[in-house]
Amino acid sequence: DSGVTQTPKHLITATGQRVTLRCSPRSGDLSVYWYQQSLDQGLQFLIQYYNGEERAKGNILERFSAQQFPDLHSELNLSSLELGDSALYFCASSVGFTTGELFFGEGSRLTVL
Amino acid sequence: AQSVTQLGSHVSVSEGALVLLRCNYSSSVPPYLFWYVQYPNQGLQLLLKYTSAATLVKGINGFEAEFKKSETSFHLTKPSAHMSDAAEYFCAVRDTSGTYKYIFGTGTRLKVLA
Repeated sequence: DSGVTQTPKHLITATGQRVTLRCSPRSGDLSVYWYQQSLDQGLQFLIQYYNGEERAKGNILERFSAQQFPDLHSELNLSSLELGDSALYFCASSVGFTTGELFFGEGSRLTVL
Repeated sequence: AQSVTQLGSHVSVSEGALVLLRCNYSSSVPPYLFWYVQYPNQGLQLLLKYTSAATLVKGINGFEAEFKKSETSFHLTKPSAHMSDAAEYFCAVRDTSGTYKYIFGTGTRLKVLA
């Protein structure tokens, strides 16, 4: 158990819908990262937050947004869903912004029908 | 920009044989390198990390990796494969150019044959 909690574990929805994925980092970790894992794209970095502020952005679509709340949990919002958004979405946390390895949650598997 | 390249998307070894998973990095500054393992239906778990303290890094489950600057490599090895080692392995580098994001390789799926 990494200490990173993600909900929901599985989610099935239809095209055009909107979903929210939630992540609670390990106790004491200030940085939260979101990754998308799909068969054809591998593990893609989406976005990073540190202590409530966005610090780095990767290949995140404009239809996607995220935030980190004062209690340090984070949410990834995916809207106007398309079939190609079906993937495993991972949250990871680390203790700092420039230090510490990543600890991953078990992921949220999104299926868009 | 920093990056990692994993050679071989699939590797098969016999149980008891040497495991060698290859990773080459690209970085203009001393890199922070990592190996992660992903078992089916699970998240990624840290195997080991290189942070310049020692070139030979020992990790969990009998794995180790050697940092070779001259070859820009960070290959993962294990002397004797076990069935439970079957998983996907990812090499990663932490971008130290300002964003400090982690960049992952495309992964190598290890199959262990009985």
